Amino acid sequence: GEDVEQSLFLSVREGDSSVINCTYTDSSSTYLYWYKQEPGAGLQLLTYIFSNMDMKQDQRLTVLLNKKDKHLSLRIADTQTGDSAIYFCAEKGNTDKLIFGTGTRLQVFP
Amino acid sequence: DAGVIQSPRHEVTEMGQEVTLRCKPISGHDYLFWYRQTMMRGLELLIYFNNNVPIDDSGMPEDRFSAKMPNASFSTLKIQPSEPRDSAVYFCASRSTGGLARETQYFGPGTRLLVL
Repeated sequence: GEDVEQSLFLSVREGDSSVINCTYTDSSSTYLYWYKQEPGAGLQLLTYIFSNMDMKQDQRLTVLLNKKDKHLSLRIADTQTGDSAIYFCAEKGNTDKLIFGTGTRLQVFP
Repeated sequence: DAGVIQSPRHEVTEMGQEVTLRCKPISGHDYLFWYRQTMMRGLELLIYFNNNVPIDDSGMPEDRFSAKMPNASFSTLKIQPSEPRDSAVYFCASRSTGGLARETQYFGPGTRLLVL
């Protein structure tokens, strides 16, 4: 079946940039998403990108998509302590389902 | 918009009891998804509906789990009888077919279920 993989942990200093990476296997992906989950909360949509795009920027967030390598990344500029959370990558192919990665726990320290 | 609404937010019950989780999707959304999140298995899709009709329930773990969507604004996920291994966070999500972000799922806050 289709798979989405992410590293489990990332630790960065406040003010630095964070880069969270994701790889997927579905060659028919149409949309790719980044969700944020804070402790005790639901998944909050951060941003999404169409599969025919290479990059999308939204304030401090930059999404890069390498469709050839099936690699997606999320860059958070000027990372703040409030950015500490679990970040999920998800992809949607030709079905209605989203395939989620395991999530990357981002820890921001002062 | 109030977003996806789930109730209860927390549920503690004893093994063998029936548990009913409720979800109100975003108004106008025609898809509704039920997920389960655990540390061991991550986020799993249990079942989803389109226009109140169940489309894919292949993720439902056992016959003890059932889901209904009697109308466009309400869905339930029922576990009967509940077991300790059902302890998890259960999320409901909805999305629409049309619009700019038409493929995007919006999640509710989740129901934290603990079965003793």
